[in-house]
Amino acid sequence: GESVGLHLPTLSVQEGDNSIINCAYSNSASDYFIWYKQESGKGPQFIIDIRSNMDKRQGQRVTVLLNKTVKHLSLQIAATQPGDSAVYFCAENDAANTDKLIFGTGTRLQVFP
Amino acid sequence: DGGITQSPKYLFRKEGQNVTLSCEQNLNHDAMYWYRQDPGQGLRLIYYSQIVNDFQKGDIAEGYSVSREKKESFPLTVTSAQKNPTAFYLCASRLRTGIYNEQFFGPGTRLTVL
Repeated sequence: GESVGLHLPTLSVQEGDNSIINCAYSNSASDYFIWYKQESGKGPQFIIDIRSNMDKRQGQRVTVLLNKTVKHLSLQIAATQPGDSAVYFCAENDAANTDKLIFGTGTRLQVFP
Repeated sequence: DGGITQSPKYLFRKEGQNVTLSCEQNLNHDAMYWYRQDPGQGLRLIYYSQIVNDFQKGDIAEGYSVSREKKESFPLTVTSAQKNPTAFYLCASRLRTGIYNEQFFGPGTRLTVL
């Protein structure tokens, strides 16, 4: 079946550095993607989304890049802070049923001083 | 404040017992979802409902049941048929007007079977 996956299960960065979290997706028909942040013991929080007619979208300190040619999604966090430490999930809409999302397994971001 | 609430936050169950997890939203969202999350893993869809009085099985529906009698509420029952119920359960909701709408999540319920 189609799936969403991540290249790196754990990413450690120094406070103040930029972080890049990657995600590969396999369904070329997916046209909507979301990044979620999940802190320990809490529910996922929406960070940013992007539609397939865009290559890049920016939010506050975060940027999502979409490369449809290689089916790759990335989340860039500028000036990473200790509060950014969490697990980050990418998700894609299920093209066969747009009410459903397919989630990746997540990448843990650890920020050290 | 608008949002999604789940209760209880922690739940302990003896083997052989059914338990019901509550999920309520006041966002006026049409669709609601239940996910299961195991340590170090992603979210797996249990059940979802697009409208009141209707719901569909997700990828891991066996041993679970749901109801959707009201738009605001989507309770999940973990039955004794679920062989490995210990997990973190997440409820989500979504506005269905338009394709590109994200799912909003509740704070989760951690279920432990003793």
